[in-house]
Amino acid sequence: DAGVTQSPTHLIKTRGQQVTLRCSPKSGHDTVSWYQQALGQGPQFIFQYYEEEERQRGNFPDRFSGHQFPNYSSELNVNALLLGDSALYLCASSPVQGSNEKLFFGSGTQLSVL
Amino acid sequence: GENVEQHPSTLSVQEGDSAVIKCTYSDSASNYFPWYKQELGKGPQLIIDIRSNVGEKKDQRIAVTLNKTAKHFSLHITETQPEDSAVYFCAASKGGSYIPTFGRGTSLIVHP
Repeated sequence: DAGVTQSPTHLIKTRGQQVTLRCSPKSGHDTVSWYQQALGQGPQFIFQYYEEEERQRGNFPDRFSGHQFPNYSSELNVNALLLGDSALYLCASSPVQGSNEKLFFGSGTQLSVL
Repeated sequence: GENVEQHPSTLSVQEGDSAVIKCTYSDSASNYFPWYKQELGKGPQLIIDIRSNVGEKKDQRIAVTLNKTAKHFSLHITETQPEDSAVYFCAASKGGSYIPTFGRGTSLIVHP
């Protein structure tokens, strides 16, 4: 049983560029959440997708957007990259939106903005 | 919103010793408290969790305690082994959204 998979594993971009990160949830899971983890910090919630809609959002600007596809996979898009966007971006899936709190994380995408 | 404080930031122990990591939370409505272990190059993995209607939970060498009145919860690892070396995160969330707020993490180093 494949767990949560994320791609790419590493990415280098320059300021002002746009980036798309991808996530496939664990089999049987239909809810996907995205987190940003800066070096030495705990994960910070960006947003959560269920039934192809953004259900909840953390304190992140509109430059951060996402999408969920019918097969439950998801994308995180970040526009107009800033140096401060450099971080590990984690995707987490859970079985049922709003009723199961156990999160399963992928290994993340390490984004470096130069 | 919820605020979770975690201490210590670094913990160094000898193999076989016990390790304790402590967290406090601010929102009295929080009712679910998971602990995650993050190894180098990997995402966080849930190792144990506790709900607000339970004071203590144990799973082999790890245990978690919760004091709702003081808004404290702790992770206890006994008979530590080198493979326990990792960063541990506590988190708190509440029913409905179950979006966890994480602490800043504790880097546990177990020396052989």
